[in-house]
Amino acid sequence: SQKIEQNSEALNIQEGKTATLTCNYTNYSPAYLQWYRQDPGRGPVFLLLIRENEKEKRKERLKVTFDTTLKQSLFHITASQPADSATYLCALESRGSTLGRLYFGRGTQLTVWP
Amino acid sequence: DVKVTQSSRYLVKRTGEKVFLECVQDMDHENMFWYRQDPGLGLRLIYFSYDVKMKEKGDIPEGYSVSREKKERFSLILESASTNQTSMYLCASLGQGSSYEQYFGPGTRLTVT
Repeated sequence: SQKIEQNSEALNIQEGKTATLTCNYTNYSPAYLQWYRQDPGRGPVFLLLIRENEKEKRKERLKVTFDTTLKQSLFHITASQPADSATYLCALESRGSTLGRLYFGRGTQLTVWP
Repeated sequence: DVKVTQSSRYLVKRTGEKVFLECVQDMDHENMFWYRQDPGLGLRLIYFSYDVKMKEKGDIPEGYSVSREKKERFSLILESASTNQTSMYLCASLGQGSSYEQYFGPGTRLTVT
């Protein structure tokens, strides 16, 4: 069956450290993979997209890697801050599916403590 | 900035009622989506639409229908609400350009009693 698994439901780290979140998928052929941030009671907000032929993408303190051999994406937040505390969702669009039809993981709740 | 608005932030309905959830986007996007989000289950796609009057079922369409009469508006209808439809409902839109990001509304927290 098809699965998208995010490494843990919750991740707690100290301010200033690098947070690393994992997204593994099974039985998908992703055209691209996205990461979203969701704050409590709000809709998700897009952060980064990485395509199947890309290995790494960066945006300010954020970095995403994509390994189609391992079927895994890693999402890093460097120099983390308490304001980075949120739930992070990975989502992928499978090759051949309707444009924009995303499959989401369940999310990882990140808490950054001072 | 793209704005996606949903008609209500919180809604309480009784079992058996017909419920309408409205979503409006202001960026002329072709694609619109309805998701529900439940603890431990993540975001699940109910229905989506890639054009006016067009719709496709997502992963969990049972008990729901949708309407897209105008490009900017996508409605989710619960024909006869049941308690297992208590959830957070999120609407999203997506343009046809090179950006693949979905823009989400703030969500409607629906409670069916």
